[in-house]
Amino acid sequence: GAGVSQSPSNKVTEKGKDVELRCDPISGHTALYWYRQSLGQGLEFLIYFQGNSAPDKSGLPSDRFSAERTGGSVSTLTIQRTQQEDSAVYLCASSLSRGTGNYEQYFGPGTRLTVT
Amino acid sequence: QQPVQSPQAVILREGEDAVINCSSSKALYSVHWYRQKHGEAPVFLMILLKGGEQKGHDKISASFNEKKQQSSLYLTASQLSYSGTYFCGTEMSGATNKLIFGTGTLLAVQP
Repeated sequence: GAGVSQSPSNKVTEKGKDVELRCDPISGHTALYWYRQSLGQGLEFLIYFQGNSAPDKSGLPSDRFSAERTGGSVSTLTIQRTQQEDSAVYLCASSLSRGTGNYEQYFGPGTRLTVT
Repeated sequence: QQPVQSPQAVILREGEDAVINCSSSKALYSVHWYRQKHGEAPVFLMILLKGGEQKGHDKISASFNEKKQQSSLYLTASQLSYSGTYFCGTEMSGATNKLIFGTGTLLAVQP
């Protein structure tokens, strides 16, 4: 499809285990964003990539969270030693670069993470 | 730093109008509006750049007052399909591409 895709759609893991969440942005979108949305809450910014570099990592909640992007395309968000408070829907979005003047963000369907 | 939206929730009958406000304590470069239906991803509505511009999209329009660091979303002659949670995303001056989303406004349109 032409939209942002994320995998897995659902992930149940035990406390203390590591998880990897994947995002495939829209082809040609140079900017990629990760957000977290807890039940009934708003969108919490985690990290932003422009190409392969991350100019803004300020939203990562702790050093257990990390993200990378390779080839200017796919991104992986890794959570180490998961805690119950990590349970949330993790949303990825992508956009064209600001220079195009058309940089609205397109969101993927999200990964629902449940830590038991 | 998180912008505040008001009201938190609103219930309308089809055909009625609504206004959703978004206020920031920081100087803004742009404001983005999104709608999220239950269990779905947010969907983009519009971007407003500093300059006090107003935009429209069908019967949904928005304004941005950069001096007041406020944006308002106007929904006229509401339809059932307008139901959902509306979020404003604010980009601080400095054009960082980073959006800080507001607290959300739940809109329910009833027949």
